Amino acid sequence: AQSVTQLDSQVPVFEEAPVELRCNYSSSVSVYLFWYVQYPNQGLQLLLKYLSGSTLVKGINGFEAEFNKSQTSFHLRKPSVHISDTAEYFCAVSTSFRGGSEKLVFGKGTKLTVNP
Amino acid sequence: DAGITQSPRHKVTETGTPVTLRCHQTENHRYMYWYRQDPGHGLRLIHYSYGVKDTDKGEVSDGYSVSRSKTEDFLLTLESATSSQTSVYFCAISVDRSDIQYFGAGTRLSVL
Repeated sequence: AQSVTQLDSQVPVFEEAPVELRCNYSSSVSVYLFWYVQYPNQGLQLLLKYLSGSTLVKGINGFEAEFNKSQTSFHLRKPSVHISDTAEYFCAVSTSFRGGSEKLVFGKGTKLTVNP
Repeated sequence: DAGITQSPRHKVTETGTPVTLRCHQTENHRYMYWYRQDPGHGLRLIHYSYGVKDTDKGEVSDGYSVSRSKTEDFLLTLESATSSQTSVYFCAISVDRSDIQYFGAGTRLSVL
């Protein structure tokens, strides 16, 4: 079974500082990996995805993530954060099921708080 | 928001009463999902559907049932609500044969 571990439940940083949100996954087969962001009182929004190809993936709002197969990691990074990046971030891995599409397994989330 | 509407957005109910949450989509996507979100647990899959009348259980399906009689609507029913079902419920859709899921705005349910 697939599983996702987000290593930090809360990450406080100062504005304009770099940030890394860590995600590790377990899987015995090839995976697809995602980062979603949830702003307060909203639904989840796709930040970026890794399906295949280049291991460095760029997403919206200046975020990027690097797929590392040997370390089974998919850490999210941003070189300089803004107050508006304050949100909860979820890492997810896809697994297949009958019917032809994928279902997602989510990590427990990391709350990023950007302070002035 | 990929044309997803969840209703109601907020609901307060009493233990033992039935509750139905509705997810409506406007783009005829085949795959639909119900999740619950709880602090410290992230999102957990309750049920999913891969077509009209084709549904299956997720990891936390006990106490929930679903129905999909039309492509555009996916209903989640709590037959007899319990306090442990107090949560935020999200519906999601998946573009056909794609791995990307799009989420609705959520329904906040309180069971007293």
